[in-house]
Amino acid sequence: EAQVTQNPRYLITVTGKKLTVTCSQNMNHEYMSWYRQDPGLGLRQIYYSMNVEVTDKGDVPEGYKVSRKEKRNFPLILESPSPNQTSLYFCASSLRRNNEQFFGPGTRLTVL
Amino acid sequence: AQKVTQAQTEISVVEKEDVTLDCVYETRDTTYYLFWYKQPPSGELVFLIRRNSFDEQNEISGRYSWNFQKSTSSFNFTITASQVVDSAVYFCALRMDSSYKLIFGSGTRLLVRP
Repeated sequence: EAQVTQNPRYLITVTGKKLTVTCSQNMNHEYMSWYRQDPGLGLRQIYYSMNVEVTDKGDVPEGYKVSRKEKRNFPLILESPSPNQTSLYFCASSLRRNNEQFFGPGTRLTVL
Repeated sequence: AQKVTQAQTEISVVEKEDVTLDCVYETRDTTYYLFWYKQPPSGELVFLIRRNSFDEQNEISGRYSWNFQKSTSSFNFTITASQVVDSAVYFCALRMDSSYKLIFGSGTRLLVRP
């Protein structure tokens, strides 16, 4: 089944404890992206990747890192999480940048 | 500046009513792509439609229809004979051909009451 998977789905952590949210797609898509969803703000793009080893900042990259060592994986890293990073995070992929994006199920992160 | 505005924060209708969700966008690019996504209460994001800036034909898919008007920079979404299962948050999004970024509106929450 074609899909985007994210893990974990739920995470409660404390300020400053490094964490990684994994994202994987099995559709051989070139383009992958991370978003955060906050009430009243819609989805805001954190980082995106055009292909392996090619990444760039979205609109809200501060406090996040990403890597794209393999085509299928695009992990989101929070080196030192803070409470303002409490949010719902979505990973997405598309065949190319102008195609529709397929979204993962979301990761709800709470930073205490 | 590129921007997507969904001015309707919440809409409540009774089942079988028609409802239109508004989307207004801003871009200087002549080539761009517009999208609608649905987020039901379960939380996943579901793709509904993609439209490029050179295709102004309206689209109909079952009870769903989309009205794209470049003259008013709008890409509105109409649900005919709404059903309770249409209750969701709907997002409009914009990507310029010159950019890799996808810009979302803030979403419209639709509640369809039985």
